[in-house]
Amino acid sequence: DQQVKQNSPSLSVQEGRISILNCDYTNSMFDYFLWYKKYPAEGPTFLISISSIKDKNEDGRFTVFLNKSAKHLSLHIVPSQPGDSAVYFCAAGANTDKLIFGTGTRLQVFP
Amino acid sequence: NAGVTQTPKFRILKIGQSMTLQCTQDMNHNYMYWYRQDPGMGLKLIYYSVGAGITDKGEVPNGYNVSRSTTEDFPLRLELAAPSQTSVYFCASKEGAIYGYTFGSGTRLTVV
Repeated sequence: DQQVKQNSPSLSVQEGRISILNCDYTNSMFDYFLWYKKYPAEGPTFLISISSIKDKNEDGRFTVFLNKSAKHLSLHIVPSQPGDSAVYFCAAGANTDKLIFGTGTRLQVFP
Repeated sequence: NAGVTQTPKFRILKIGQSMTLQCTQDMNHNYMYWYRQDPGMGLKLIYYSVGAGITDKGEVPNGYNVSRSTTEDFPLRLELAAPSQTSVYFCASKEGAIYGYTFGSGTRLTVV
């Protein structure tokens, strides 16, 4: 029972273009959502979050959009840079202390 | 600040052996977590703790045990290691009112 799904295992984007990473969830009780970035041989690092009372949150080049009716969120990276190449995990929580993670999307940004 | 520190970074175990994965944090966080990451499977919660003396099971607790005797430390014990426990293990912590975790750098465990 995968409550948080990232259906694209990988994404390849040219430097300077927009990267869009998608995430779907099934539990309507989730009330906050986060994106983490992970480089090889390192732990995940927090990138950006959004509460269910918002539909957009922006932090520099990173914007997260939340569509509650579709149970869908996306991470936009503009402009994409080679240093953004990493695995991105979507995570969700439901007014509890635990986060449920998706399976991750490997982003590759090429020159 | 060191953040969340995990030891060891790598370990090879034989089937049936036991070991303890260590996790310590210096941020005075009440909440601590153990996740495992299998290829293509994301991060699965093994156990978590909301404070010293309190632990609870996550999604995949079988074959593991934890204890939380201090705020700083949250060791994960593997008894009778099995090949299915080959994985990368991440410890994480957070303050009560903040949703984002701080992760350690992971322990790569191979059971042969």
